[in-house]
Amino acid sequence: GENVEQHPSTLSVQEGDSAVIKCTYSDSASNYFPWYKQELGKRPQLIIDIRSNVGEKKDQRIAVTLNKTAKHFSLHITETQPEDSAVYFCAASVSGAGSYQLTFGKGTKLSVIP
Amino acid sequence: DAGITQSPRHKVTETGTPVTLRCHQTENHRYMYWYRQDPGHGLRLIHYSYGVKDTDKGEVSDGYSVSRSKTEDFLLTLESATSSQTSVYFCAISQSGEQYFGPGTRLTVT
Repeated sequence: GENVEQHPSTLSVQEGDSAVIKCTYSDSASNYFPWYKQELGKRPQLIIDIRSNVGEKKDQRIAVTLNKTAKHFSLHITETQPEDSAVYFCAASVSGAGSYQLTFGKGTKLSVIP
Repeated sequence: DAGITQSPRHKVTETGTPVTLRCHQTENHRYMYWYRQDPGHGLRLIHYSYGVKDTDKGEVSDGYSVSRSKTEDFLLTLESATSSQTSVYFCAISQSGEQYFGPGTRLTVT
């Protein structure tokens, strides 16, 4: 089955700096890569996703890049703000295969220091 | 929030008792999922459903069963709860491949 590794497990940045979280996956058939943000005591929220037919996707201060050859993808947050503090999860799946099963990384706790 | 509710939101039960968690959706999505979330493990898939009466196992299905008799409801049952099943349980639906989560149920088995 799919295996997703996520690094780092914790990340502290100064407000205004950039944050980068990296994930690798094992199944070359995976073609859908979402990122979730989870605040303390809340449900995971989908913040951005990328499909394998593109290499980069941006949404305001958030971007995701995908390298299919190396089987890794990354989340980039620019101009970080205290409200970006949360746990971020990457995931991978074979979209279109029917079940849309997601395999998640173990999460990165991001702390933005004011 | 994709019209997903979970009940109960919190439950404390004793080892050996049966427990059923309910996930309810209002938007007629075909795919539904149950995950558990534990510190250091992220989110792990327990079971999923791809239609009424159609279910399959996920990564950590031992000790759990599911049922889906109506499109809108997906039930997760712990036949005999154990302390290792203390966790936060999230239900999710899939919409065009994107998954959206319910608010979660915190289950404590004493």
